[in-house]
Amino acid sequence: QVQLQESGPTLAKPSETLSLTCTVSGVSINSYYWTWIRQPPGKGLEWIGYHYYSGNTNYNPSLKSRVTILVDTSKNQFSLTLSSVTAADTAVYYCARVEPDTYGIDVWGQGTTVTVSS
Amino acid sequence: SYELTQPPSVSVSPRQTASITCSGDALRKQFAYWYQQKPGQAPMLVIYKDTERPSGIPERFSGSSSGTTVTFTISGVQAEDEADYYCQSADSTGTYLVFGGGTKLTVL
Repeated sequence: QVQLQESGPTLAKPSETLSLTCTVSGVSINSYYWTWIRQPPGKGLEWIGYHYYSGNTNYNPSLKSRVTILVDTSKNQFSLTLSSVTAADTAVYYCARVEPDTYGIDVWGQGTTVTVSS
Repeated sequence: SYELTQPPSVSVSPRQTASITCSGDALRKQFAYWYQQKPGQAPMLVIYKDTERPSGIPERFSGSSSGTTVTFTISGVQAEDEADYYCQSADSTGTYLVFGGGTKLTVL
């Protein structure tokens, strides 16, 4: 059974860098694509970016200048770094698995709430 | 940028049929996925590759595709189906993933 679990600080200050980690269990992280998605309070889902084979990544153009997604195969984890955060980055952040070639998301983490506030 | 368009809301009476559309140019080339999200919960996959239903998803949930529009249908809606529903796909090259804006399904 594939499971994903987000972890990281729940509070960040404006202008700081937000860092989250997703721990994958039940499957090798080398076998799929991996993505981050967020959902601001009361709003819809926003794709942030995804990592795929051989260290390649694609990012949402609206966030590309501030986002980095990395994979640590030794720990079966992947991470999200979002720099220069503002209140607009307050959201529930989800990590998830992407099916290669069809680009659908088939497994989701439970999500973690991050609040940006001074 | 690439967009998927959904109606913001759909209302239906119990035991009736609810349909939610999702439109976007790249749906000609890319599959659509549908997710159900209830308050305080993570989204859950209910339809994949336009028409396929994951194991454990009720048979009353179905999907169809025609050109640049995909449709999610619930036949015989139940009160427990009240939720937000999102479609998801990718641009024609698979570089970007995208979600529709979401549709709030209300069971009257």
